[in-house]
Amino acid sequence: GEDVEQSLFLSVREGDSSVINCTYTDSSSTYLYWYKQEPGAGLQLLTYIFSNMDMKQDQRLTVLLNKKDKHLSLRIADTQTGDSAIYFCAESNPALIFGKGTTLSVSS
Amino acid sequence: KAGVTQTPRYLIKTRGQQVTLSCSPISGHRSVSWYQQTPGQGLQFLFEYFSETQRNKGNFPGRFSGRQFSNSRSEMNVSTLELGDSALYLCASSLGTSGVNEQFFGPGTRLTVL
Repeated sequence: GEDVEQSLFLSVREGDSSVINCTYTDSSSTYLYWYKQEPGAGLQLLTYIFSNMDMKQDQRLTVLLNKKDKHLSLRIADTQTGDSAIYFCAESNPALIFGKGTTLSVSS
Repeated sequence: KAGVTQTPRYLIKTRGQQVTLSCSPISGHRSVSWYQQTPGQGLQFLFEYFSETQRNKGNFPGRFSGRQFSNSRSEMNVSTLELGDSALYLCASSLGTSGVNEQFFGPGTRLTVL
C-alpha cells in the first residue's frame, strides 16, 4: 500500500540550511507536496513539485525529486527561528497521503 | 478572501455520543476533504466531497460519515464515539479541478472523547 516516510526530528542553528528528507511508494503520484504545520494551526502548503521535474526552487525553498529512488527532499536556506514547525511531505493518489512529519527545531 | 473555517474549534464528548463537525470552504472551492490527525497515526484521509458527492473515501469505519451541501459547506459526523476518536479533525478545500491538488486547510476541530 501507499506509505510516506520521514525522519522525525531535525535540529539546526539559525542561518544554517535545513534538509528534510522523505521517501514515498506510489510511483503514479503526479504531484508531491510539502506542508508546514505550526503549533495550534492547520497545514499550510509550502510548495509542490510535478513528478516529471527534478528540482524546483522557490525563494529559500528548494525541492529535489529523485523519482527512481522515490526520494523527495526539502531544503530551507538560511533557516530562521520562525521556520520551527512540523513539515509534512505528501503524495497524491489522488487523496493526500502524508508522512508522519519532521519536527524542525531552530536554535539561535 | 476568507480562508477555510471550521466549527467548533474545540469539543468534548463522552463515549457513545455522536458529534457533527462543520467546514466552510474558501469561496469558489467545490472540493472538501477531511483528515484525522493523531499523535500515533499522523494525518489520515477520511473522505472527499465534490459537488455534493463523495468522490473518495479513506479506510475508516462506517461510524464516520460526511456530506456536502449545495453551497459546498461540508459536515462530518461520528457516531458512537470511542476514546480513540480523540483527534484533531482537519478540513481542506480545493478548486477540485484536475492537476495540482492544492488544498487549503482550516485550523481544525480538536475533539476530546472522555
